Amino acid sequence: DAGVIQSPRHEVTEMGQEVTLRCKPISGHDYLFWYRQTMMRGLELLIYFNNNVPIDDSGMPEDRFSAKMPNASFSTLKIQPSEPRDSAVYFCASSTTGTGRNNEQFFGPGTRLTVL
Amino acid sequence: GDSVTQMEGPVTLSEEAFLTINCTYTATGYPSLFWYVQYPGEGLQLLLKATKADDKGSNKGFEATYRKETTSFHLEKGSVQVSDSAVYFCALTTGRRALTFGSGTRLQVQP
Repeated sequence: DAGVIQSPRHEVTEMGQEVTLRCKPISGHDYLFWYRQTMMRGLELLIYFNNNVPIDDSGMPEDRFSAKMPNASFSTLKIQPSEPRDSAVYFCASSTTGTGRNNEQFFGPGTRLTVL
Repeated sequence: GDSVTQMEGPVTLSEEAFLTINCTYTATGYPSLFWYVQYPGEGLQLLLKATKADDKGSNKGFEATYRKETTSFHLEKGSVQVSDSAVYFCALTTGRRALTFGSGTRLQVQP
């Protein structure tokens, strides 16, 4: 299995531009999570999906952030318009409700976003 | 709400030294506990886990015991190697499924 795939690995953009981050979860996993990592705030959950349905988006910082999961193999996190304070590493993770995999999450390599 | 508190880093050790990274938690309900490791430039990897009181998680020489009475899940290793240099995150989850992470502890092992 290829693991969780994220793209791009690095993104540099200017303030005000739209940014789209992409994630492909592990095949067969029914949970998908988006986290953000910064020096100041550590790792924060932004949103998570179960069977493509958003379950908890209370961590999404503001309306500039939106996330979708149109099918079981793809999710996007969009920031529009982007601001310098959005600069962070964004991780996608997936997990399964299958027996013996109690809440273990598998993380992608992350997307390092820099907003100038 | 749920929270995880880890010792501040960085922790700097010589090779073959004993490692302890402290982790305590507060949680509503009965959490599962995890240690994740993040190597430079990579995502997080599960290191070990424990799902009920007195369980011991172990992997690659690392161990942690779920202590309900002290709400702790300290990470230990008897003899660290340079290759163990990384950031270690303690985390928990309750019925919510999503993980609540500690702030992370950077470990630097010198030859």
